[in-house]
Amino acid sequence: SQQGEEDPQALSIQEGENATMNCSYKTSINNLQWYRQNSGRGLVHLILIRSNEREKHSGRLRVTLDTSKKSSSLLITASRAADTASYFCATDLNDYKLSFGAGTTVTVRA
Amino acid sequence: DVKVTQSSRYLVKRTGEKVFLECVQDMDHENMFWYRQDPGLGLRLIYFSYDVKMKEKGDIPEGYSVSREKKERFSLILESASTNQTSMYLCASSSQGAGGNTIYFGEGSWLTVV
Repeated sequence: SQQGEEDPQALSIQEGENATMNCSYKTSINNLQWYRQNSGRGLVHLILIRSNEREKHSGRLRVTLDTSKKSSSLLITASRAADTASYFCATDLNDYKLSFGAGTTVTVRA
Repeated sequence: DVKVTQSSRYLVKRTGEKVFLECVQDMDHENMFWYRQDPGLGLRLIYFSYDVKMKEKGDIPEGYSVSREKKERFSLILESASTNQTSMYLCASSSQGAGGNTIYFGEGSWLTVV
């Protein structure tokens, strides 16, 4: 069962612009993670935010978490062509299982 | 460097064949996972294992089985491949619980069943 849903499904931006994508989920979580997937490759972990955290930064990435709204956002600032990828949020259903959304496909135009 | 290796990147199999997808991790992780990824559906968990010889069903276990005889190796078995099992299969591993820890993914195995 998919717990998380990303929005929008697809996003096209100009190099240098910011990209924002959102994740909504249904049940309470302990942690939420964001992953990136380049075309035809495996997923790579970007950032983990715990339920007691509201915001987290990693380089050009900024993640927010609003547990009252059951939503998270991922912001990529000053985007580059190399940021072209699909981005997934993952929420923990229990200690072993993560539930992934269908992803947001980001295209950065040169 | 952390590594999850899937032995086959691309496979083409016939309907009814038995298919083995192999995955090895070099991080001494307790947990290993098999997901399948289809367009518009995201990643769906097939099976996971939290210890050697232990396995748990995920969301879509039908038509699949798994084997974990050694800590570093987790195999996905399609007993009798069918065309609706054409998909990308992703193996992953993590230490302890997956929720609070990073999951490391392999590069994926593209399986086509004809």
